[in-house]
Amino acid sequence: GAVVSQHPSWVICKSGTSVKIECRSLDFQATTMFWYRQFPKQSLMLMATSNEGSKATYEQGVEKDKFLINHASLTLSTLTVTSAHPEDSSFYICSASPSGSVIIGTDTQYFGPGTRLTVL
Amino acid sequence: QKEVEQNSGPLSVPEGAIASLNCTYSDRGSQSFFWYRQYSGKSPELIMFIYSNGDKEDGRFTAQLNKASQYVSLLIRDSQPSDSATYLCAVNRGGSYIPTFGRGTSLIVHP
Repeated sequence: GAVVSQHPSWVICKSGTSVKIECRSLDFQATTMFWYRQFPKQSLMLMATSNEGSKATYEQGVEKDKFLINHASLTLSTLTVTSAHPEDSSFYICSASPSGSVIIGTDTQYFGPGTRLTVL
Repeated sequence: QKEVEQNSGPLSVPEGAIASLNCTYSDRGSQSFFWYRQYSGKSPELIMFIYSNGDKEDGRFTAQLNKASQYVSLLIRDSQPSDSATYLCAVNRGGSYIPTFGRGTSLIVHP
C-alpha cells in the first residue's frame, strides 16, 4: 500500500518550453501532496505544499508563476515548469500523505519515484 | 542552527557490522520522526517511523528515540553492501504536516 507514481520519469526539453509532471497516489487519497527538488549530491528542497481544492503554498524563494501547481483531485497533483531554462534541470520528487490517517504530527510521507528534468 | 542535523559522512562500515546513524533536532515540539533511505539517483524510501521514546525494531533496523536529549538514531544490524545509500532523518512538529529533513548521512558498506 501507499504507492505514489510520477509521470514522466524523465524528460528532456528545449529552453523556453513548459513541462508538466504528474503525481498520483495510487491506492490512497491524499489531501496534501508535496513537491521537492533535488540537485546532484544535495539535500531535498521543499518547493511547495499542494492542497486539494485550494492554492498551493510555496516556500520562500520559489516562484509560483514559474512552478504552477494544480491539485485537482485527492489522487492527482501536477507541477508545470513554465518557460524552462537550463538552471531548472533537476530531479523533481513529489510525496503524499494518506488522508484520514491523521493523528496530529504523525502523517507519513510516501515519495514518488521522481522525474529527472533536463533543459537544453 | 539547523533544525535537523545529520553528519554528512560518509560512514564506512564493513559488511556484517552494525551501522549507527544519528540525527539531532532542535524543536522540542517535534512529535514524529522518520528515517528514509535514498539510493543515488532515486527518490527517498521510507524505512521506519517512531513516535515514542525508546526503541522500535523492524528486521535489521532499529530506530531509537530520546526526546529529552533530542536525538533519534537508526541502527542497521548485519550491514550489507546493498545498504549503501544516503539515510535521511525527518522530523514533524506536532500539528504540522510538513516534516523537516536533515541533509542525510552517506553510508558505505564495504565487503
